[in-house]
Amino acid sequence: GAGVSQTPSNKVTEKEKYVELRCDPISGHTALYWYRQSLGQGPEFLIYFQGTGAADDSGLPNDRFFAVRPEGSVSTLKIQRTERGDSAVYLCASSLIHSTDTQYFGPGTRLTVL
Amino acid sequence: KQEVTQIPAALSVPEGENLVLNCSFTDSAIYNLQWFRQDPGKGLTSLLLIQSSQREQTSGRLNASLDKSSGRSTLYIAASQPGDSATYLCAGAAQGGSEKLVFGKGTKLTVNP
Repeated sequence: GAGVSQTPSNKVTEKEKYVELRCDPISGHTALYWYRQSLGQGPEFLIYFQGTGAADDSGLPNDRFFAVRPEGSVSTLKIQRTERGDSAVYLCASSLIHSTDTQYFGPGTRLTVL
Repeated sequence: KQEVTQIPAALSVPEGENLVLNCSFTDSAIYNLQWFRQDPGKGLTSLLLIQSSQREQTSGRLNASLDKSSGRSTLYIAASQPGDSATYLCAGAAQGGSEKLVFGKGTKLTVNP
């Protein structure tokens, strides 16, 4: 079956621009996670959705970052007024119910802020 | 704050060798633990999940164990192959905490033919 998909695969933008990153989880998975991975580092948690609601957004670095999951399936990570330090690979994962289930990761979106 | 250390950071072995990758957590109250594989420029592929009631999991040539008392996990790879070359990441979810996974920086494995 289809895995987690993310679009776009690559995004190049300039400072101060607005970007949206999309995640399509595995069908039927209620839990969805966003992580950010910088070069040479492990992924760092950003936000966790259970259904439509953000159950834990403690990893969002500041109020320029926002994520939604309005229908409990597709999620969009939104970054306002991008900064060079936002450059990273943004990974999305989903699991059947919660973290006691295997988390399946998408291929990521590589964001480059010039 | 939970921190995860993976040792070694990089490992190069000849084909056919058995090897062990190590992972340790500063907070030993781990709810569950996953080992992942990441190929260059790719996302993460889940290898093994050890849930709270388990001590180890096996899949083919891979065996992962978790010692909750010490907060340590090992990933054992038997009869390594060049196709095993990748970065291996461990991640744990904290007991009584959020659902998020906390990751180590990974071990970069190279298996030479």
